Amino acid sequence: DAGITQSPRHKVTETGTPVTLRCHQTENHRYMYWYRQDPGHGLRLIHYSYGVKDTDKGEVSDGYSVSRSKTEDFLLTLESATSSQTSVYFCAISGGLAGDRGWNIQYFGAGTRLSVL
Amino acid sequence: QKEVEQNSGPLSVPEGAIASLNCTYSDRGSQSFFWYRQYSGKSPELIMSIYSNGDKEDGRFTAQLNKASQYVSLLIRDSQPSDSATYLCAASLETGNQFYFGTGTSLTVIP
Repeated sequence: DAGITQSPRHKVTETGTPVTLRCHQTENHRYMYWYRQDPGHGLRLIHYSYGVKDTDKGEVSDGYSVSRSKTEDFLLTLESATSSQTSVYFCAISGGLAGDRGWNIQYFGAGTRLSVL
Repeated sequence: QKEVEQNSGPLSVPEGAIASLNCTYSDRGSQSFFWYRQYSGKSPELIMSIYSNGDKEDGRFTAQLNKASQYVSLLIRDSQPSDSATYLCAASLETGNQFYFGTGTSLTVIP
């Protein structure tokens, strides 16, 4: 998984509780992303980061926040989890050194399966 | 809205046949194109990237790009049961940091 670690890999939580998912990379890539994947919807971008403390919203950002205090870590927080946030969450990275082979390719972590009851 | 569209399938082919997967995109500014394979319960795995018009071959896989028609395809020759997976098409703009995914095509290779 290209030096990308997601934790936890599985989580079950209750509606209304806060949840934080972590993505850690060892590749020193500039860009980091959080997607959710649901049947029939494919991969949908939640938030992404283009540098330390630089983040932007994706197409399904409502109910989610992110933080990136270090190049290697990108956190996704569900402030108050809802059943509609039950999904598989993938972290991805891109943006190695320009000119390097594959610099503009996106690589994915193993995913976190979240169930909100 | 930048869209990437794929036929969701399912697509079934017999073992040893050629599987043909297709993808269209709406943004003419798209410069880079990718095919990912995703096994059930696993994360997407890059199998091909293509940047220029024409064909790009890698083993049993051939990616084809036609920017005038805004069309990308993936051919899998000598299909194997292990090729059974969902294939995601993706496009990115020249900046290279925004990616747009199709919903995927499910492929089943029948032994």
